[in-house]
Amino acid sequence: EAAVTQSPRNKVAVTGGKVTLSCNQTNNHNNMYWYRQDTGHGLRLIHYSYGAGSTEKGDIPDGYKASRPSQENFSLILELATPSQTSVYFCASGDAGGGVQDTQYFGPGTRLLVL
Amino acid sequence: GDQVEQSPSALSLHEGTGSALRCNFTTTMRAVQWFQQNSRGSLINLFYLASGTKENGRLKSTFNSKESYSTLHIRDAQLEDSGTYFCAAEADTGYQNFYFGKGTSLTVIP
Repeated sequence: EAAVTQSPRNKVAVTGGKVTLSCNQTNNHNNMYWYRQDTGHGLRLIHYSYGAGSTEKGDIPDGYKASRPSQENFSLILELATPSQTSVYFCASGDAGGGVQDTQYFGPGTRLLVL
Repeated sequence: GDQVEQSPSALSLHEGTGSALRCNFTTTMRAVQWFQQNSRGSLINLFYLASGTKENGRLKSTFNSKESYSTLHIRDAQLEDSGTYFCAAEADTGYQNFYFGKGTSLTVIP
């Protein structure tokens, strides 16, 4: 079973501050994804990556950057955090092909509160 | 508009009973995946289907691409089944075009 870990698990940030959410996967998956989960919206894709050095915009990329320095690591960066970015963030990894087809494996989630 | 309409948004079941969750799609989908989000917030993969029906224990899922829907049946519900269930579907066109439903909050009552 794929292992996907996220850090931190909980984070409180101030408006205007920089926040970095980290994700690590140990099963050599090519694709990695960042989602946020909000009541009434379900899961929404922020950024994704096909491999080291690759980042692509998802459905709601505004206000977020992503970085994929290696196969194992995929970070989500909020340069100037806003209260509207308070949410639960999930990282996922998957095999070649992308999308639902590759059976994504999710991390445990990170709760972010922006005050 | 939303490509995936998930229903019901909330559901209560007594232990031992069952019900079905449904996702309707407004565009042609080539695959669907069902997840359970447990009380700790973690997402658990339940099923991936490109067609037909799969069964695992007390859960069964069907995907009908032609009629644009997928269902997740839960039978003999147990307390640990409580949580939020999501479907996610991949569109039949393009790449990385996948969409999540808004979830069904299931509460199993003793």
